[in-house]
Formats: sequence, structure tokens, C-alpha cells
Amino acid sequence: AQKVTQAQTEISVVEKEDVTLDCVYETRDTTYYLFWYKQPPSGELVFLIRRNSFDEQNEISGRYSWNFQKSTSSFNFTITASQVVDSAVYFCALSEGTGSNTGKLIFGQGTTLQVKP
Amino acid sequence: DSGVTQTPKHLITATGQRVTLRCSPRSGDLSVYWYQQSLDQGLQFLIQYYNGEERAKGNILERFSAQQFPDLHSELNLSSLELGDSALYFCASSARQGSSGNTIYFGEGSWLTVV
Repeated sequence: AQKVTQAQTEISVVEKEDVTLDCVYETRDTTYYLFWYKQPPSGELVFLIRRNSFDEQNEISGRYSWNFQKSTSSFNFTITASQVVDSAVYFCALSEGTGSNTGKLIFGQGTTLQVKP
Repeated sequence: DSGVTQTPKHLITATGQRVTLRCSPRSGDLSVYWYQQSLDQGLQFLIQYYNGEERAKGNILERFSAQQFPDLHSELNLSSLELGDSALYFCASSARQGSSGNTIYFGEGSWLTVV
């Protein structure tokens, strides 16, 4: 069965600290997609990144970076030099298959990140 | 702005009532998804439509139904509402014609409170 586990329920850091949010997934498919979404206090779900199962290259986007390791079924998210505006709930999600038939996202329980000034 | 539009943003209604949530997908997106976010269940997939046809079903109650219209907008109908239906309901869209992959963009959600 598909499953996404975000073991960290809440993380609190001080501004400018680096923080890593962990995500471990389970799937039997060889083709799948992994996502990270941010949910700020206002409630909307903001897309951050999509990674397919064939691309294990790490990705960096500004202060954000993602480490995808198939060997450990992990897709961790690091925020460098955190800022107060990074405070939000972050969700990792898994989608199996390809093409227009997919889209059923399995979400983790989310990690609440609090960045203190 | 994700390009996915949901209305209404907030809704308060009484138990036993029926409500309709509306969603306009991003321009060109053929798939529409509905998700429910509640404190006890987290984010759960309800149903997916692709170009007007139901494509996948998740944990959607029989009291709930959805449809996607020819102009690709979608509606989620919630009937015989119970207190436990209070949640944030998200619409999402993906699968622009001619594109590959399935990045899924979410709307801002509709907050439903059942009293």
C-alpha cells in the first residue's frame, strides 16, 4: 500500500538556522511522483516541487533544496537560512503512475515549521 | 496564485443541509480533483474527473457527489451535512492538453463549517 510518513510533527527553529523536513514513502510502483506543498496560516496549498521516480538528482531552488534517495525511499526538504515567512505546515505527497490518469495524492500528516525571529 | 478558483471561500451551514462547492481549474487543465482536509483525517483524496468523466474515487461519502461540466468547471455537492463534515475542501487541477507529467495545483480551498 502507498504511504507517506512525515515523522516530525512540529519543528521550531530560530531565524537563519537551517532546517530539514523528513519524508519517507512506501510504494510498489516503479513509476511515481513525489511532491512537497506548503500550507501557510492562510490555508492555501502552495506547490513547491515535483520529482519523478527516475530522477534522483538533488534540486536547489534559492534557499530550498531537496534530497531524493530511492535506496532509502526518502525525499527530504531542507530550508537554508530560514526566515519567519517560512513558518507553515509542509506536506510531502506521493502520486503513482503517469499521464492524465494519475493525480490521487497520498499526503503525509504534515510538519509544522515555526521560525522564530 | 495557482490559477485554480474555488467558491465560496467560507460557508457556514446547519446540520442536515446541502451545499455546493464550485471549482474552476487552471486554463487548459482537463483533470479536476477534490480533497478534504480535516484535523483528524488530514488531507484525503475524494474524487477525480478528467475531461468530464469520473476517473478515480477515494474516500468520498455516499452523501457527497461531484461532477465536471463541459466547460471543465466542477462542483462538489455535500448533502445531509453532519458536524463531522466541517473541513477545508480543496479543488486541484492538472493535465493540460499536450503536456506530460502531473503537477497538481490547488485552489485556496473552501472552509465549510457545519453547526
